[in-house]
Amino acid sequence: GDSVTQMEGPVTLSEEAFLTINCTYTATGYPSLFWYVQYPGEGLQLLLKATKADDKGSNKGFEATYRKETTSFHLEKGSVQVSDSAVYFCALSVDGGSQGNLIFGKGTKLSVKP
Amino acid sequence: NAGVMQNPRHLVRRRGQEARLRCSPMKGHSHVYWYRQLPEEGLKFMVYLQKENIIDESGMPKERFSAEFPKEGPSILRIQQVVRGDSAAYFCASSPVSAGSQGNIQYFGAGTRLSVL
Repeated sequence: GDSVTQMEGPVTLSEEAFLTINCTYTATGYPSLFWYVQYPGEGLQLLLKATKADDKGSNKGFEATYRKETTSFHLEKGSVQVSDSAVYFCALSVDGGSQGNLIFGKGTKLSVKP
Repeated sequence: NAGVMQNPRHLVRRRGQEARLRCSPMKGHSHVYWYRQLPEEGLKFMVYLQKENIIDESGMPKERFSAEFPKEGPSILRIQQVVRGDSAAYFCASSPVSAGSQGNIQYFGAGTRLSVL
């Protein structure tokens, strides 16, 4: 079945460090890929998305490129801030199907220290 | 434009009681999804509804759980005879177009945290 695997955390970085959170997927159809962020005590917020191969999603300094050849959608940021501390979820949805669901990875907790 | 509204934010129930979780989608959205998040886990899909219809309930436990999205009013996730294992955060999401549309974005509420004593 369809699935998402992302690197386990927690990840602890110093402010201004470079961030990479790995995400790979398995899908039978043509998925759209997403990164969601969850701040403590809150719901999920869409961070960025990509709908087809080689698309790059970007938002708030975060980027991820849809790599069909490696079935990956790694999240990167060049310089993290304390305010980026949160849990990050990689997710996919299979387009054109009748299923309604997003399939999520387990989440990666990021802590940024000043 | 208000976001997805869920209430209550926190719900405490004793074993055997019923839990009712409410979700009002964003204005103009007629597609609602429910997810469950267990501690230290990602979100797991439960059910997808469109007004008055259940479209996909493949993630719903076979017993004690039900969901509805009436023509008027919020979507309701109902858990009968709760057990300790039902303790989790339950998130609702809504979208303006049908699932399966390319790049369809789901907008999430803040969740209801259910604790079963």
